[in-house]
Amino acid sequence: DAGVTQSPTHLIKTRGQQVTLRCSPKSGHDTVSWYQQALGQGPQFIFQYYEEEERQRGNFPDRFSGHQFPNYSSELNVNALLLGDSALYLCASSLFGAEAFFGQGTRLTVV
Amino acid sequence: DAKTTQPTSMDCAEGRAANLPCNHSTISGNEYVYWYRQIHSQGPQYIIHGLKNNETNEMASLIITEDRKSSTLILPHATLRDTAVYYCIGAGGTSYGKLTFGQGTILTVHP
Repeated sequence: DAGVTQSPTHLIKTRGQQVTLRCSPKSGHDTVSWYQQALGQGPQFIFQYYEEEERQRGNFPDRFSGHQFPNYSSELNVNALLLGDSALYLCASSLFGAEAFFGQGTRLTVV
Repeated sequence: DAKTTQPTSMDCAEGRAANLPCNHSTISGNEYVYWYRQIHSQGPQYIIHGLKNNETNEMASLIITEDRKSSTLILPHATLRDTAVYYCIGAGGTSYGKLTFGQGTILTVHP
């Protein structure tokens, strides 16, 4: 079992650009959540997808959007990147909202 | 989501038990207490969770007070690899697995 896999592992983007991050959940899991972790802070919940729909959303602007595919994999899109969007982006998968398994994250740097 | 309070940092000698406290006085009746840890630059790792009763697994034990206002995570024989940030989180019920991370406790295990 490969667990939760995220791609890419590192990414450098320029202010104003758009970025797409990808996540494959742990086998058998149907729920995917995305978190943003700034340096020195705990992860902050962005949103959660279940049955291809956004079920919950944290306090993030509409520049942050996502998608879940029929195979339960998910994408996180961020438009009009700001310097403050530089962070570690974590994907977590779970089944029926039980304990979450996290990927290793994508380190996004906006310059 | 329940607000949790944890000490900022703790030290432990290798081979000794590490006892990490958490206050969650606002936890609701259908919220579980979850513990995760995050080793530097990695995704958070699920440790254990419980509702009312004490729980034990291969990683740790969780002791929840009868009034559910606080809990203690016990690592019975800490090793250097247990050095990490430990997060106590109240979650469940209608939150569908959304995790609200605080600052956590930095546990440093010394040789």
